[in-house]
Amino acid sequence: QKEVEQDPGPLSVPEGAIVSLNCTYSNSAFQYFMWYRQYSRKGPELLMYTYSSGNKEDGRFTAQVDKSSKYISLFIRDSQPSDSATYLCAMGPLNSNSGYALNFGKGTSLLVTP
Amino acid sequence: DAGVTQSPTHLIKTRGQHVTLRCSPISGHKSVSWYQQVLGQGPQFIFQYYEKEERGRGNFPDRFSARQFPNYSSELNVNALLLGDSALYLCASSLSGDEQFFGPGTRLTVL
Repeated sequence: QKEVEQDPGPLSVPEGAIVSLNCTYSNSAFQYFMWYRQYSRKGPELLMYTYSSGNKEDGRFTAQVDKSSKYISLFIRDSQPSDSATYLCAMGPLNSNSGYALNFGKGTSLLVTP
Repeated sequence: DAGVTQSPTHLIKTRGQHVTLRCSPISGHKSVSWYQQVLGQGPQFIFQYYEKEERGRGNFPDRFSARQFPNYSSELNVNALLLGDSALYLCASSLSGDEQFFGPGTRLTVL
């Protein structure tokens, strides 16, 4: 079993819909959590970064972390065709001695149709 | 502000050859990490450097090596290339190591 599980999709939604993307993890040492957006053949773009359980909002994006359930989510409100991309969750332990190695999910492919 | 830059953008090598990939971090960032992303998968951690010292190493063979220079730029070297080394190689820049910003990547094809 991989440490980070993410449904690869594809997920197809109409423009304006609320999108929910999710990841589960098994390693209790993971203490910081990120969401990246990756367009085809490009590098990942950091969307959200949080240490804490609870919600963090930035514009149309909300990141939610539940450490007790080992479950994280990204919500996208008022989705746009330009949001069509692969969304990667990433997480890691807060241990500078061994490096801040990010552990990624496989990514969820999202298509927002006009 | 310039983001993370990587060179070259693409390259094609044959099995057994050696390759060097280069990365320049965001100005002021002292940490560089390297990841390998094969098609359809999330990135896999290879190395992290902070202040020119190796801070972490992923589960990759010794054919993979890296270093960080005094100006915080970095090189990733891969020896004795295998077909399975074909991937997008990503460099990530960070102030202290945790919050990581990625470059556009170098796409390596091994024939």
